[in-house]
Amino acid sequence: GAVVSQHPSRVICKSGTSVKIECRSLDFQATTMFWYRQFPKQSLMLMATSNEGSKATYEQGVEKDKFLINHASLTLSTLTVTSAHPEDSSFYICSARDRRAGNTIYFGEGSWLTVV
Amino acid sequence: SQKIEQNSEALNIQEGKTATLTCNYTNYSPAYLQWYRQDPGRGPVFLLLIRENEKEKRKERLKVTFDTTLKQSLFHITASQPADSATYLCALSYSGGGADGLTFGKGTHLIIQP
Repeated sequence: GAVVSQHPSRVICKSGTSVKIECRSLDFQATTMFWYRQFPKQSLMLMATSNEGSKATYEQGVEKDKFLINHASLTLSTLTVTSAHPEDSSFYICSARDRRAGNTIYFGEGSWLTVV
Repeated sequence: SQKIEQNSEALNIQEGKTATLTCNYTNYSPAYLQWYRQDPGRGPVFLLLIRENEKEKRKERLKVTFDTTLKQSLFHITASQPADSATYLCALSYSGGGADGLTFGKGTHLIIQP
């Protein structure tokens, strides 16, 4: 199946700093990628839709100035958590839709963010 | 709104037996349904996709059924192995769902005991 790569897998940052997470589709082009947040033993929560060449679409309750999304190419989307606080500590996952495979959604490996 | 229910408690199965996981939904049927495996601290891994006009899909030891009358999908793992222990998520795709077109269940934690 298609491969979506996410980097870094783990990151620790100081409160008040910003951290960037990358999401790449390795063997297919993804005009649309998605970013999720997941708390322990909870379901995936969609944060935003990343659209190549245009602004991201954020779900209700997600601060767009806090979570900056850039989709600069057909294979790369980035999520930047700005002015991070301890409550931003979570597991962040990206995904991409592979239209060649009946719109199957493939996920990255996830990124653990810890803000200290 | 659409609701998805998966076994909320952990499912313990003896190695070698068939594990059956349930995904029930309310309201209208999705265009298709996907099953994922998620290990602790990892992103979900795609397993199978089944469309509303398909009754059954198989892949190696995995089988998924889709009953739009019962509004239910069953996920079977035959000849289960301890390595199959993980959380299994079902995700429905329908109009009015999330922007990714998917609505996820909370997942069922499957434990295969040797």
